[in-house]
Amino acid sequence: EPEVTQTPSHQVTQMGQEVILRCVPISNHLYFYWYRQILGQKVEFLVSFYNNEISEKSEIFDDQFSVERPDGSNFTLKIRSTKLEDSAMYFCASSESGTGGTGELFFGEGSRLTVL
Amino acid sequence: AQSVSQHNHHVILSEAASLELGCNYSYGGTVNLFWYVQYPGQHLQLLLKYFSGDPLVKGIKGFEAEFIKSKFSFNLRKPSVQWSDTAEYFCAVNSRPGGYQKVTFGIGTKLQVIP
Repeated sequence: EPEVTQTPSHQVTQMGQEVILRCVPISNHLYFYWYRQILGQKVEFLVSFYNNEISEKSEIFDDQFSVERPDGSNFTLKIRSTKLEDSAMYFCASSESGTGGTGELFFGEGSRLTVL
Repeated sequence: AQSVSQHNHHVILSEAASLELGCNYSYGGTVNLFWYVQYPGQHLQLLLKYFSGDPLVKGIKGFEAEFIKSKFSFNLRKPSVQWSDTAEYFCAVNSRPGGYQKVTFGIGTKLQVIP
């Protein structure tokens, strides 16, 4: 069964460092997303991406964050200068399509980011 | 803007007890509704989903949910829980503003099943 894969599974970094989280969405999916879950809190939407551009982003997704699809398979989330409050589990997701799609998001296993 | 409310944040049940987790959403347009489950140390997995048709949907592991449009609700039920159902359950609503998917999650309900 096709799945969304994420790397690394866990990254520990110092405050102020840049971090790149990588995702390989399901191959025929066109929409890509990043969500995050701070420990003990709900899953929060960060950004959606379609046709090589951001479709929507939340208030959390400020100038420190960026997303990129550098090639045909990877979808990355970069945090330029990490803060303590960026510590969370980051989930990548993909979905088949927009208006014709079923709406189901397929999630990766998550990348746990710990900022010290 | 769409939002999702889950009423129970932490539920403790004995094995074989019946389960009902409440979920209400707010969005005026067409929505798809989901329940995701996150077992300890694992990623989010889809439990069941509603798009259209029969408002009573059945998912994996004996779970079901009923969409009541007039109440904007999508409650999750299971007649008899097992210890292995211990997990966190997230209700989610998907709308399609502008053609792309936007999924909003509820805060989650932690279910603890006692053997």
